[in-house]
Formats: sequence, structure tokens, C-alpha cells
Amino acid sequence: AQSVTQLDSHVSVSEGTPVLLRCNYSSSYSPSLFWYVQHPNKGLQLLLKYTSAATLVKGINGFEAEFKKSETSFHLTKPSAHMSDAAEYFCVVTPISGGYNKLIFGAGTRLAVHP
Amino acid sequence: GAGVSQSPRYKVAKRGQDVALRCDPISGHVSLFWYQQALGQGPEFLTYFQNEAQLDKSGLPSDRFFAERPEGSVSTLKIQRTQQEDSAVYLCASSLRDRNTDTQYFGPGTRLTVL
Repeated sequence: AQSVTQLDSHVSVSEGTPVLLRCNYSSSYSPSLFWYVQHPNKGLQLLLKYTSAATLVKGINGFEAEFKKSETSFHLTKPSAHMSDAAEYFCVVTPISGGYNKLIFGAGTRLAVHP
Repeated sequence: GAGVSQSPRYKVAKRGQDVALRCDPISGHVSLFWYQQALGQGPEFLTYFQNEAQLDKSGLPSDRFFAERPEGSVSTLKIQRTQQEDSAVYLCASSLRDRNTDTQYFGPGTRLTVL
């Protein structure tokens, strides 16, 4: 069975400082991994995805994540936080084998950005 | 272009009432998913359609939940005899094909409150 664990329910950073949102996964198969962002009253938006190509994945808005199989991790980072980054972030896994991608979400990490 | 739309955006129901939630996926998208997001949690998979065929309904919490997509485009999620535990945001997502690496595009959700 597949699952993801987001290690922090809340993260608070100052504007202009680095962001690190941690995610560990569990999967019997080689997984596809995603990060989604959810702003208040808006739909989930894909930030980036890993699908067994390059282990360092670059996404939108300056975010990136590195797939580390030995650590079963897929942490999300950004060098410099912006006020507009404040939102809920979800780490997501889906098995790479088989057909359609039933997404399995983590519990989410709420990112607060302070001036 | 138009994204995934859902209606109504908000629904208040008295316990025991039936409700119907609508999803309009992106035109031409083969795959359609429903998820349930309880307050403070990540979305959880409910059901999956490939065109008009419902291939996976393993996440539906009870036989009070029913989903259909009769013409392979618009989908309706129906909840009969609503209970307070059904209160959640119901999210619809679509993807172009049925591959497990395809990006899912989410609608804004329908927030259901059962009194």
C-alpha cells in the first residue's frame, strides 16, 4: 500500500528566507510523487511532479523537490519565501504501475509567511 | 481555457436530505475523479471514471453515496439521507488520459454542511 507522511503540520518562515516542507513516502512500487498547493477558497494546483525521470524536479513559482529513494523522501524547498506562498501544501503519491492515478494525499502542511 | 467547474459551491442540507453535486470536467478529458476533504485533512479518493465507466468506487464510504457520468463528460455525486459526518468539501478532478503520470486538474470544490 502507498502512503505519505508530512512531518510538519505547520511551518512558519519570514519573507525572503528558505522554505522546507518535509514528506516521506511508503510505496510497494516505484511511485509517482506530486506536490499540490491549496490557497484559501481556491482549487488544488499542481506545483511539481516526479515520475521516475530526473530526481531533482523543478516546479512553478520557484519550488523544487528532490526524490531520494534511500531516504524515501520527497521534500519541497524554495530558496526565498514570498508572502503569496502562504497556503496549504500537500504531498501526494500514486503507484507508477497500473493505470489510472488514484492520488493518495498527506495530511497537509500549512505554510505561514511573515513580513 | 476553462478549467474544472463544480456546482453548487456551497450546499447546506438538513440531516436526512438527499443532495446532488455536479462536476464539469475539462472538455475532452477521459478520466474523472471525486475526492472528499474533511476539515483540516487531505483529500481522500472516492471514485474514478474512465469516460462513462465507473472503474473504481472503492473509496465511497457507504451505499448512500452514488456517482455517475452517463455521457462521459459531466458527473454527478449524489448523497442520499445525508448525515452530519458527510460534511466536507467534495472535490472533482479530471485528467486528459488514463495514465498514472497524468496531471489531475481540480475544481474549486463543493462545501457541504449537514445540519
